[in-house]
Amino acid sequence: GAVVSQHPSRVICKSGTSVKIECRSLDFQATTMFWYRQFPKKSLMLMATSNEGSKATYEQGVEKDKFLINHASLTLSTLTVTSAHPEDSSFYICSARSTRAYEQYFGPGTRLTVT
Amino acid sequence: SQELEQSPQSLIVQEGKNLTINCTSSKTLYGLYWYKQKYGEGLIFLMMLQKGGEEKSHEKITAKLDEKKQQSSLHITASQPSHAGIYLCGADNTNAGKSTFGDGTTLTVKP
Repeated sequence: GAVVSQHPSRVICKSGTSVKIECRSLDFQATTMFWYRQFPKKSLMLMATSNEGSKATYEQGVEKDKFLINHASLTLSTLTVTSAHPEDSSFYICSARSTRAYEQYFGPGTRLTVT
Repeated sequence: SQELEQSPQSLIVQEGKNLTINCTSSKTLYGLYWYKQKYGEGLIFLMMLQKGGEEKSHEKITAKLDEKKQQSSLHITASQPSHAGIYLCGADNTNAGKSTFGDGTTLTVKP
């Protein structure tokens, strides 16, 4: 099946610094990628929709200046958490939809810890 | 917006037992997905249902979408420890390809 990778899988950063998370579709082109955040024992919360070549669409309550999304190519989207704070610590998951298939493929997630 | 409610929230079964997880939508389902997740990892796609009355199986896991397309059930036959994890149902909103997810059901299978 289709594969989506995320890098890094785990990251620890100090408060006030910025962290970039990459999401790549390895064997298919994805015009749309999604970024989710998951809290412990909770479901996925959609943060934003990343569209190749255009600005991301953010869900209500998600600060676009804090969570910068760039979808530079059909296989890569990045999420940058700017000026991270401990409350940004979470599990971030991306997903990608193939331009041809209806299914949504998820990355393995990135565990962010802000100290 | 569409909301998905899963039940039960958690389930502990003895190995070999059958179990069912339900997912109820507040609106008509146009595409219903079942995923499995191990804590701290990504989601593994299990199956997708689109048509009312549709039923799909993969190994010992069967999922159904009811005729009215507002509820789906996931049934595991003869559960094994490898089935343990978090099961999430997800549904497509009618536009933009965005998905909504239930809160998940945590399954523990005791050997």
